[in-house]
Amino acid sequence: GESVGLHLPTLSVQEGDNSIINCAYSNSASDYFIWYKQESGKGPQFIIDIRSNMDKRQGQRVTVLLNKTVKHLSLQIAATQPGDSAVYFCAEGDPNTGNQFYFGTGTSLTVIP
Amino acid sequence: KAGVTQTPRYLIKTRGQQVTLSCSPISGHRSVSWYQQTPGQGLQFLFEYFSETQRNKGNFPGRFSGRQFSNSRSEMNVSTLELGDSALYLCASSVFVGHMNTEAFFGQGTRLTVV
Repeated sequence: GESVGLHLPTLSVQEGDNSIINCAYSNSASDYFIWYKQESGKGPQFIIDIRSNMDKRQGQRVTVLLNKTVKHLSLQIAATQPGDSAVYFCAEGDPNTGNQFYFGTGTSLTVIP
Repeated sequence: KAGVTQTPRYLIKTRGQQVTLSCSPISGHRSVSWYQQTPGQGLQFLFEYFSETQRNKGNFPGRFSGRQFSNSRSEMNVSTLELGDSALYLCASSVFVGHMNTEAFFGQGTRLTVV
């Protein structure tokens, strides 16, 4: 059959604004979540993680929020910079399947200078 | 600490050939996972190795195989290459802590093109 490319959600923000990238997951058994950033031609880069016993975790300019009730994850980037332009993936881990991660389709973030 | 190293970075092969990709994990990491990334399917899990044993396997045909050595380095092999195997193959290494998932750090990937 014909191969259809994934349609990546896109987000464009002005430099200096805050960005919010959302992700929905489906596996209730997932208890560990990671956000990755992938720039063109590179492998995914670890940004921040959160376990299911937490609702919020902060890093440098980034915050991850976890809502287990609706199985939703978000990544907030403060004061977005041009270097933040990339594709962002959420990944969920189910402890019953070893260290295997299930990845979302990704969101393409473009920062407008 | 050195990151995850994958070799080669780029590879062009002909249909029907086989290919071996290599991954050296971060020092001290004993879990190595492989993923295939394509525009059509995104990032898909191939398999995970820990202590030279395959712990998990994704939904890929038997043409895809792997192994892990005593020093935690891993290789994956794809036999009888098909055009659809063209993809970025990513290796991720992790510290294994009991039965908890831990951070997975990725290499730069090997870009395989099958012609």
